[in-house]
Amino acid sequence: GAGVSQSPSNKVTEKGKDVELRCDPISGHTALYWYRQSLGQGLEFLIYFQGNSAPDKSGLPSDRFSAERTGGSVSTLTIQRTQQEDSAVYLCASSPDLLAGGIGELFFGEGSRLTVL
Amino acid sequence: SQQGEEDPQALSIQEGENATMNCSYKTSINNLQWYRQNSGRGLVHLILIRSNEREKHSGRLRVTLDTSKKSSSLLITASRAADTASYFCATLLSGGYNKLIFGAGTRLAVHP
Repeated sequence: GAGVSQSPSNKVTEKGKDVELRCDPISGHTALYWYRQSLGQGLEFLIYFQGNSAPDKSGLPSDRFSAERTGGSVSTLTIQRTQQEDSAVYLCASSPDLLAGGIGELFFGEGSRLTVL
Repeated sequence: SQQGEEDPQALSIQEGENATMNCSYKTSINNLQWYRQNSGRGLVHLILIRSNEREKHSGRLRVTLDTSKKSSSLLITASRAADTASYFCATLLSGGYNKLIFGAGTRLAVHP
């Protein structure tokens, strides 16, 4: 498909387990973002990748969260030792090369809904 | 902390009426974007306005930006039931940062 693809779409896990969420961005998009959205809330920035630059990890809420982007394409968000407060929809977005002066439109995936029991 | 804050949090109108949503932000921006979200899943980009622009139109959408007041508004004219969704503003900070910060959103309900 031509859009941003995320998997799994739904994940139910037990407290203390590790989870991995995957994002396939649109081919050729150099920027990739992860956001988290709790029920009825806005989007919370987690991490941003741009080309080969060091990622901006300033939004990761704790050291249990990590993300990588292999080969400038697919990204995996890993949450270790999950807690109930990690329950949310995790959204991935990608964007093509920077416009003059900064990022333009983001293209979002449908998200991965994580439920921690 | 949130850079952008939308107002109102919720808006309920009848089909055919106009809907206006406002967004305020705190620090200098490079651009401001509006997105729409249906059913709590993926967001769809609506419109982008740069810091040196004051107004943009796209179909039934009109966006204004007042950098002196650090605020923006999104106007949807002649609303339809299909416009029912949550609308978010997102700001791109100036100064070489590429972190796009979203507000909490406005939930719009358009009744037939």
